[in-house]
Amino acid sequence: DTGVSQNPRHKITKRGQNVTFRCDPISEHNRLYWYRQTLGQGPEFLTYFQNEAQLEKSRLLSDRFSAERPKGSFSTLEIQRTEQGDSAMYLCASSLDSYQPQHFGDGTRLSIL
Amino acid sequence: SQQGEEDPQALSIQEGENATMNCSYKTSINNLQWYRQNSGRGLVHLILIRSNEREKHSGRLRVTLDTSKKSSSLLITASRAADTASYFCATDRGDDKIIFGKGTRLHILP
Repeated sequence: DTGVSQNPRHKITKRGQNVTFRCDPISEHNRLYWYRQTLGQGPEFLTYFQNEAQLEKSRLLSDRFSAERPKGSFSTLEIQRTEQGDSAMYLCASSLDSYQPQHFGDGTRLSIL
Repeated sequence: SQQGEEDPQALSIQEGENATMNCSYKTSINNLQWYRQNSGRGLVHLILIRSNEREKHSGRLRVTLDTSKKSSSLLITASRAADTASYFCATDRGDDKIIFGKGTRLHILP
């Protein structure tokens, strides 16, 4: 039973660099979600996909952030020109549909030097 | 913005005791969910309770929902060391996303 897989688990980069994270959802799941979590806080919604269509983006997702889900399978989250405030855990989740619970990956921890 | 707010922020109890965590929220909901997160890991779904339900059980977990007070509680009975984790409530308002609270950090003492 393969769950949601995220890569890399950790990413350390210098301020101003671009980073890209990957999420592989559970294979039959149509919905895919991205969240950001900082220390001591709950996950904050960033964006979600229904198959390949990106249906909503949070105001937290500035124009430096872009997410894609080509062919409705895996998804990538790219952050351009990273800033100190981007340091966080980036979590991906998938679900069969909007009525089913979300299954989370173990996240990518981003540290900006 | 965060819709749910858990109380207490942190809780330490002896192994074998019961742990109760509360969640309050602000707007009407379709359902409320509880998740657990172990340190450095993703969230694990525990239980979902719909707005027309008042109580739900799953193993050692009992969840209640009071929509008139906009509150929910999670009870873990006969706690174990493995229950040490952060617990989050998440509300679904029917707008295709769930909103998490800040969580309760539960520590089970041996």
